[in-house]
Amino acid sequence: DQQVKQNSPSLSVQEGRISILNCDYTNSMFDYFLWYKKYPAEGPTFLISISSIKDKNEDGRFTVFLNKSAKHLSLHIVPSQPGDSAVYFCAASARYGNKLVFGAGTILRVKS
Amino acid sequence: DAGITQSPRHKVTETGTPVTLRCHQTENHRYMYWYRQDPGHGLRLIHYSYGVKDTDKGEVSDGYSVSRSKTEDFLLTLESATSSQTSVYFCAITPDIGGNNEQFFGPGTRLTVL
Repeated sequence: DQQVKQNSPSLSVQEGRISILNCDYTNSMFDYFLWYKKYPAEGPTFLISISSIKDKNEDGRFTVFLNKSAKHLSLHIVPSQPGDSAVYFCAASARYGNKLVFGAGTILRVKS
Repeated sequence: DAGITQSPRHKVTETGTPVTLRCHQTENHRYMYWYRQDPGHGLRLIHYSYGVKDTDKGEVSDGYSVSRSKTEDFLLTLESATSSQTSVYFCAITPDIGGNNEQFFGPGTRLTVL
């Protein structure tokens, strides 16, 4: 049972445009939602997070949106840069210190 | 930098041999985790620890055991390695205080079981 789903295996975007990565979840007990970026041969790097009491969080070029009624999470990257090309994972957890449940990942390619 | 190191970084072993992977952190966080990453599955939790001698199973724990005798070290052991355990293994920590349960990951260990 996949509690966190990233339905797009890959996304290709032109440099300077917006990248939108999507994530759906099924467990209404999730309290925390996170996005990670991963380059080959490296560990995942934390990007941005949001708690269930909020619907938006921004950090520079990265914004995460949470729609609890739709159980949907998205990451917006504006403007996209070639260095953003990586695999992006969304993750969720039910309480602090609890395990993260990950989606399968989306490969983002930003073309220059 | 969360001060997490993993050793070895790469290992090739044969089916049936025991293997131990080490995760070391420098900041004495209580929460530590072992995940494996496989294509199409994202990262899946193997075992986790909430402190010294306090460990529990994750969703893919069969064939793995862990030990945590010191706060800074979390060991993952494959008792008898199988080809299905060929994977990339990541250790992670969650800081004890604050945030949205962010976990910070080590660089990974690539394990190949022949």
